[in-house]
Amino acid sequence: GAVVSQHPSWVICKSGTSVKIECRSLDFQATTMFWYRQFPKKSLMLMATSNEGSKATYEQGVEKDKFLINHASLTLSTLTVTSAHPEDSSFYICSASSPGQGSYYEQYFGPGTRLTVT
Amino acid sequence: GIQVEQSPPDLILQEGANSTLRCNFSDSVNNLQWFHQNPWGQLINLFYIPSGTKQNGRLSATTVATERYSLLYISSSQTTDSGVYFCAVARKAAGNKLTFGGGTRVLVKP
Repeated sequence: GAVVSQHPSWVICKSGTSVKIECRSLDFQATTMFWYRQFPKKSLMLMATSNEGSKATYEQGVEKDKFLINHASLTLSTLTVTSAHPEDSSFYICSASSPGQGSYYEQYFGPGTRLTVT
Repeated sequence: GIQVEQSPPDLILQEGANSTLRCNFSDSVNNLQWFHQNPWGQLINLFYIPSGTKQNGRLSATTVATERYSLLYISSSQTTDSGVYFCAVARKAAGNKLTFGGGTRVLVKP
């Protein structure tokens, strides 16, 4: 149980275009989903928190107009990188949690999406 | 915000050896998780352990919440244990947002 998927697993796009990444909880309903970013050989940094049906909460320094997050259902959250630039190239990872799934505060992570902007 | 420090940053082991990884954190927490990140980037949940001791096969973990540290033990290491181990903590008052430590990069040599 507690499986989280992401799609696509990797994507290459041209500078100036937008890219959408999907995060799905496959076998549970996620009341909260989180989006992280990881640079090579670095740790994970939280970008934003999303709760189903409400606006995402962004961490300080994260541009909400560049990284659009939508949590339209209890099993799906999307991250859209708008007008992507090479410095947006990174590994993006989502996680999901639900009070009824496993330990109350435990988060379950997707496999990540590697974005390369050329 | 809460600070999380992991040590050592790098660890090289001979197959079969035992090791201990440490995670120190600066405030009381409701959530502490240990993860193994494999070479493909997938974070694998090892333990949810805000306090106490748990064991799963060759791995075990102990969190002493009052002293704000957690230990991850790897026994009889195997090459498949290679990767990066992350500790992450969260406080309910901060919306259960995980703060990750810098990780311990483990290489197990055959």
